[in-house]
Amino acid sequence: GAVVSQHPSRVICKSGTSVKIECRSLDFQATTMFWYRQFPKQSLMLMATSNEGSKATYEQGVEKDKFLINHASLTLSTLTVTSAHPEDSSFYICSARDPGRTKNIQYFGAGTRLSVL
Amino acid sequence: SQQGEEDPQALSIQEGENATMNCSYKTSINNLQWYRQNSGRGLVHLILIRSNEREKHSGRLRVTLDTSKKSSSLLITASRAADTASYFCATETQGGSEKLVFGKGTKLTVNP
Repeated sequence: GAVVSQHPSRVICKSGTSVKIECRSLDFQATTMFWYRQFPKQSLMLMATSNEGSKATYEQGVEKDKFLINHASLTLSTLTVTSAHPEDSSFYICSARDPGRTKNIQYFGAGTRLSVL
Repeated sequence: SQQGEEDPQALSIQEGENATMNCSYKTSINNLQWYRQNSGRGLVHLILIRSNEREKHSGRLRVTLDTSKKSSSLLITASRAADTASYFCATETQGGSEKLVFGKGTKLTVNP
């Protein structure tokens, strides 16, 4: 299947710092990528839809200035958690659709566990 | 918002037994998908069933969809220890949005 790479897999940072997470589609071009957040033992919550060459579409309640999304190329989207605080600690997962395959299926990265001290 | 509600929340069975997980949703959908997540990892797509389909099979997986009841079930037959994971249903709502709305998931444990 299509491969989505997410980096880093784990990051520990101090409160107040910014953290960048990368999501790459390795063998296909993705005009749309998705960013999710997952709390322990809970489901995935969609944070935003990342559109190549345009602004991301944020879900209600998600602060766009807090979670900066950049989708500068057809294979890369980045999520930057700005001025991270302990409450931002979570598991962040990206996904992408491969237009060359069944378009409704999302292919997921392995996730990034963010721990803010 | 979370549309899907899976039940049970947790299921523990012995190897070789069948596992059935259910999902309910609230709005009209284009399709419903099931994904699997191993602990601390990303999700892997298992199967997609469209709104005009009632049943679909893939290997040991069988999915049903009842749009009148807004519910779906995932059956895993002859379970293996390697099937231990969390299983999520996700719905793509009508209206052209590419977004998926995930349910809360069922944590399946298959004991050897």
